[in-house]
Amino acid sequence: DTGVSQDPRHKITKRGQNVTFRCDPISEHNRLYWYRQTLGQGPEFLTYFQNEAQLEKSRLLSDRFSAERPKGSFSTLEIQRTEQGDSAMYLCASSLGTRYNEQFFGPGTRLTVL
Amino acid sequence: DAKTTQPNSMESNEEEPVHLPCNHSTISGTDYIHWYRQLPSQGPEYVIHGLTSNVNNRMASLAIAEDRKSSTLILHRATLRDAAVYYCILNGNEKLTFGTGTRLTIIP
Repeated sequence: DTGVSQDPRHKITKRGQNVTFRCDPISEHNRLYWYRQTLGQGPEFLTYFQNEAQLEKSRLLSDRFSAERPKGSFSTLEIQRTEQGDSAMYLCASSLGTRYNEQFFGPGTRLTVL
Repeated sequence: DAKTTQPNSMESNEEEPVHLPCNHSTISGTDYIHWYRQLPSQGPEYVIHGLTSNVNNRMASLAIAEDRKSSTLILHRATLRDAAVYYCILNGNEKLTFGTGTRLTIIP
């Protein structure tokens, strides 16, 4: 399977703990996106990378959130001092590089903060 | 980003065509119209996109109004596997701005 993969698929944590999610994009894709989705809503954009450069961050991405894409390959999204409001599905997508190109989404990581 | 308006839900009988409408009256000249769908417990999946002309692919057809203020996604013969939330998105920059979409229910 050469699609976008995400790990873990599910994460349960206690409030105040730090969590890190990983996304492996389709290998030839230079754009990588992170979205967050809460129940009953469409996905909301968080941030995106062009190769290793982080080009845009949403206002949703508070100081507790940080994303990296070292070497322009996989990406990690870390949430520090998790809060119950962080509970959501975190989706990663990748694309070939223009806004006209389709984005391919991974299956997501479901985060539950107790 | 310009906003889109879609019905919250629609139903269709299996093996019949489905027309999913989308209004985007504030679309700009450079906005592409994208459609994605999200099956239960999965990430969104690209369906089709277009700019001005009608488009066809293996999954669906996209009919775009002449003034580009509305579009319609057409599933020619709905199957149970087409039950999903369908999102109409105007892609004016890098990110996708999803609304709440149309939840399509297929009746066997």
